[in-house]
Amino acid sequence: DAKTTQPPSMDCAEGRAANLPCNHSTISGNEYVYWYRQIHSQGPQYIIHGLKNNETNEMASLIITEDRKSSTLILPHATLRDTAVYYCTIKAAGNKLTFGGGTRVLVKP
Amino acid sequence: DGGITQSPKYLFRKEGQNVTLSCEQNLNHDAMYWYRQDPGQGLRLIYYSQIVNDFQKGDIAEGYSVSREKKESFPLTVTSAQKNPTAFYLCASNADYNEQFFGPGTRLTVL
Repeated sequence: DAKTTQPPSMDCAEGRAANLPCNHSTISGNEYVYWYRQIHSQGPQYIIHGLKNNETNEMASLIITEDRKSSTLILPHATLRDTAVYYCTIKAAGNKLTFGGGTRVLVKP
Repeated sequence: DGGITQSPKYLFRKEGQNVTLSCEQNLNHDAMYWYRQDPGQGLRLIYYSQIVNDFQKGDIAEGYSVSREKKESFPLTVTSAQKNPTAFYLCASNADYNEQFFGPGTRLTVL
């Protein structure tokens, strides 16, 4: 299964865009990139996913490089409620998700 | 409201005892999953089931067992063979190949 690598932590100013990188250099051609976030002691919450094209929804944007070896999650206007651990995951065959260590994002006023 | 329920939120057991964690969903999802999360770590897949009466081992199945007798239920038993069972356990489900929805989790502490 493909593995993901994320920076362990990052700070972001409230109201500014937060750009969260993820490396997934071993991803296969039919594996999707999924992003979830987890607020302390709760179940992860789905944010967005993509295969090749960039995607946008009401929560975030996902930019996937042309070679698909890395991606960036963009939170356009971070709020204090966006403070959480963000996981970049790969969905492999059998619908299984592989989680890495995630990035702990702290949004500061 | 549709969703996934896990009970109880906190569970304490003595070492050597088997314990069963409950996971119920009313989303009509075919697939269900169990994950384990240790402090400061990501989620690791224990077992998953794509359909009733069928399930597969995940990455860390040793010391755990599951059953899938009903579509809406996927209980996880932590047996005495699990060497370090204290952890946060998360259940998830999804329809077809869409995103997984997660329950609130059960924090198990073995004394």
